[in-house]
Amino acid sequence: AQSVTQPDIHITVSEGASLELRCNYSYGATPYLFWYVQSPGQGLQLLLKYFSGDTLVQGIKGFEAEFKRSQSSFNLRKPSVHWSDAAEYFCAVVSDSNYQLIWGAGTKLIIKP
Amino acid sequence: DSGVTQTPKHLITATGQRVTLRCSPRSGDLSVYWYQQSLDQGLQFLIQYYNGEERAKGNILERFSAQQFPDLHSELNLSSLELGDSALYFCASSAGLLMVADTQYFGPGTRLTVL
Repeated sequence: AQSVTQPDIHITVSEGASLELRCNYSYGATPYLFWYVQSPGQGLQLLLKYFSGDTLVQGIKGFEAEFKRSQSSFNLRKPSVHWSDAAEYFCAVVSDSNYQLIWGAGTKLIIKP
Repeated sequence: DSGVTQTPKHLITATGQRVTLRCSPRSGDLSVYWYQQSLDQGLQFLIQYYNGEERAKGNILERFSAQQFPDLHSELNLSSLELGDSALYFCASSAGLLMVADTQYFGPGTRLTVL
């Protein structure tokens, strides 16, 4: 069965520092990949998605992600984090059985002042 | 604000009871999705409706059911509630049928606590 792994439950980063959140997936063909953000008490918001084409995807709020087939990864990056980026980040892949999202466990981002 | 509304925001009930969660999608969106987010199981897709018809099912228990009405709002019915059903229930909507082509917009969720 397909799966998504986010190996880091928590990540702490200083404000202004760069960020990389890891996501690994298991899938045979080219996957459809997503990153969502969930701010405290809020629903989820789509940051970016990858379907095909350029493997470096730009999203909202200054985020980008790179699809690396050889590593089965879709890591999320931001060059300089802001305190408002503190949230939980979810990676997801589309299931090839029912075309719905399979979610990673999430990574909670903590920003140090 | 995503444009997706969910009511109620919080719900506290007892084991064995039945509750109904309501979702209004964004104007013009035809698909509604229901998700459950719990500490032990994370985010799980439950069910999708498109223009009134069930289109896809995920890990939805038999005690749970949903429907989408002609005005496109949706309800998720949870019955014979157990402690383990305590979770945050999200509704999302998208314009079309296949979510790979659309963005899903999430509501703020309903937090269900079963005592």
